[in-house]
Amino acid sequence: GAGVSQTPSNKVTEKGKYVELRCDPISGHTALYWYRQSLGQGPEFLIYFQGTGAADDSGLPNDRFFAVRPEGSVSTLKIQRTERGDSAVYLCASSPQGGDTQYFGPGTRLTVL
Amino acid sequence: AQSVSQHNHHVILSEAASLELGCNYSYGGTVNLFWYVQYPGQHLQLLLKYFSGDPLVKGIKGFEAEFIKSKFSFNLRKPSVQWSDTAEYFCAVNGGGNNRKLIWGLGTSLAVNP
Repeated sequence: GAGVSQTPSNKVTEKGKYVELRCDPISGHTALYWYRQSLGQGPEFLIYFQGTGAADDSGLPNDRFFAVRPEGSVSTLKIQRTERGDSAVYLCASSPQGGDTQYFGPGTRLTVL
Repeated sequence: AQSVSQHNHHVILSEAASLELGCNYSYGGTVNLFWYVQYPGQHLQLLLKYFSGDPLVKGIKGFEAEFIKSKFSFNLRKPSVQWSDTAEYFCAVNGGGNNRKLIWGLGTSLAVNP
């Protein structure tokens, strides 16, 4: 079946702009995760949803970052007033009910000029 | 603090050589351990995982890893690498249950020369 999909695959924006990154999880997966990966680093956890609610948002770096999952499927990561330091690959993953394995999408490469 | 340390950042091997990539973790309580691989141009995919039971786990493509609790280690091994194993390898840990967020190492870049 279809895997996790993320759009756009690449996003270039200017400092101070607002961006939205979208994640479509594997159909039927109840848990959804956002990570970001900077060059030469491992992924860094941002937020995890179980259904529609954020079960753990401890990784969001500041209040410029916000994520929603209103119907328990698609999720949008929103970044306000982007900064050059936000440049990274933003990864989304999903897992089934009761499952511990996270299945990753291809990521969105965000570049803030 | 929760952390994962991968000892080798860059490894270069010839085909048929044996591979061992080190991973140590710092995490209180129950752990689930993972190795993920990222082939060039592809997304992260699971190689193998340890939740409980036999500490020697086998994954895809001939990889295996051994959980040594006393050493807080989960090293990845493969007896004979192939050119197609060229990739970035990441070790990760979480606490299972409601502790789902993965804590990741920096990754090891493996290049296998034909």
